[in-house]
Amino acid sequence: EAGVAQSPRYKIIEKRQSVAFWCNPISGHATLYWYQQILGQGPKLLIQFQNNGVVDDSQLPKDRFSAERLKGVDSTLKIQPAKLEDSAVYLCASSPWGRDYYEQYFGPGTRLTVT
Amino acid sequence: DQQVKQNSPSLSVQEGRISILNCDYTNSMFDYFLWYKKYPAEGPTFLISISSIKDKNEDGRFTVFLNKSAKHLSLHIVPSQPGDSAVYFCAARNAGKSTFGDGTTLTVKP
Repeated sequence: EAGVAQSPRYKIIEKRQSVAFWCNPISGHATLYWYQQILGQGPKLLIQFQNNGVVDDSQLPKDRFSAERLKGVDSTLKIQPAKLEDSAVYLCASSPWGRDYYEQYFGPGTRLTVT
Repeated sequence: DQQVKQNSPSLSVQEGRISILNCDYTNSMFDYFLWYKKYPAEGPTFLISISSIKDKNEDGRFTVFLNKSAKHLSLHIVPSQPGDSAVYFCAARNAGKSTFGDGTTLTVKP
C-alpha cells in the first residue's frame, strides 16, 4: 500500500513570495490533515478535511494560508505572502473515515525555509 | 495554553534497559491517546494507543499506561534497542482533533 505522498520535499523562498505544497493521501482515506511543525515543537493542526469539505480550520492563518481538496482526493496548501515565521515542516496526514480510526498516517513532509 | 506536555526534551538509556517517556495533559475531555515515533526526514508513524476507559495497553516491547486522575500517561519500552532512537510524540484526541506534545528525543546507546 502506497503511503502519503508530498511534494516538494524542500523549498527555499524569500519573504513575501508565494509557495504551494501538494499532498496525495492513502487511497480511500476520507480524512486529510495539514500540520505545521516548527523546529523543536510538535505538529500543530492547520486544517482538516473530510472528503472535500473543511471540518476544522480554526488554526489556519486565513489572511495568508489557503488550502483546498478538490474531488476529495489530493490537496494543496498555499502560503501567500510568506513570512519568516512560516519556516517549518509542513506535514500532510490522512486517515480512514469513522469513529474507530484514531491513528493518522503521515507523509514525509515539506521543509520550508523563508529567508 | 499547551494542553499536552512532554516535559523531558531528551532521554538517554543503555541498550537492553527500560525507556520511560512521559506525557501530561490538562484537558479532561481527551478520550484517546496515541504515541508516534519520528525518524529524521520522515513523518511521524503511529506506535501505540490507549482509550481513556483503559489504564494499560501492551504491544510487544511497548506498553502505554494511563493515569486519568493524574492526567498522565507514559510509554515504556522494554528492552530498549538502538533502532528505537527517535523522537517520540504524545498525542491526545478530542472531537476528532489531535493535539501533540513537543516530543522527547530518545537515544539508546549500544
